[in-house]
Amino acid sequence: SQQGEEDPQALSIQEGENATMNCSYKTSINNLQWYRQNSGRGLVHLILIRSNEREKHSGRLRVTLDTSKKSSSLLITASRAADTASYFCATVDRGSTLGRLYFGRGTQLTVWP
Amino acid sequence: GAVVSQHPSRVICKSGTSVKIECRSLDFQATTMFWYRQFPKKSLMLMATSNEGSKATYEQGVEKDKFLINHASLTLSTLTVTSAHPEDSSFYICSADRQGARNEQYFGPGTRLTVT
Repeated sequence: SQQGEEDPQALSIQEGENATMNCSYKTSINNLQWYRQNSGRGLVHLILIRSNEREKHSGRLRVTLDTSKKSSSLLITASRAADTASYFCATVDRGSTLGRLYFGRGTQLTVWP
Repeated sequence: GAVVSQHPSRVICKSGTSVKIECRSLDFQATTMFWYRQFPKKSLMLMATSNEGSKATYEQGVEKDKFLINHASLTLSTLTVTSAHPEDSSFYICSADRQGARNEQYFGPGTRLTVT
């Protein structure tokens, strides 16, 4: 079943601006991952943050994790039109032996040139 | 590396027929594969976890007799939608857990199923 919520559900910005998406979850997790999906396509893994980490960077991406609030944020800096996609967070429960991923509802990001 | 393919990418079938979707890991072995379905503008819903050589583990509310899963080898899992109905129309996506890299799943491109 779905794990939690992303907000906002949709976000429109201009190229060059930063985009921030938030994700909340409900259980104790082993790790939290962010994925990107272009319309009608499969998912691309962006970044993984473990439960004992608070912040992680990868290129223009910055992810934070607050396990006390059960929330995470994804920041895309200096956005480009090519960043237009849906972004999902997904969690792996603590103690999971099979690595099941439970996805949030996603944020549809549109970056205007 | 770590490429996952799905076949077919798109299928249209009539009510009452069965449809088989294949998920292959092309350049790695996957002891575990996962099947998701996604409705338009919605999130991915985990349907089942497919383990090579054993029965699949289905999520609550997913009918195992409706969605047959077979994981016959370390590179292939199949999902068969039996006696398909229009409400089964959806985007089906598989992912593969790379052996020894449990924290990252590699996703296939998805299969669009339309039941008329």
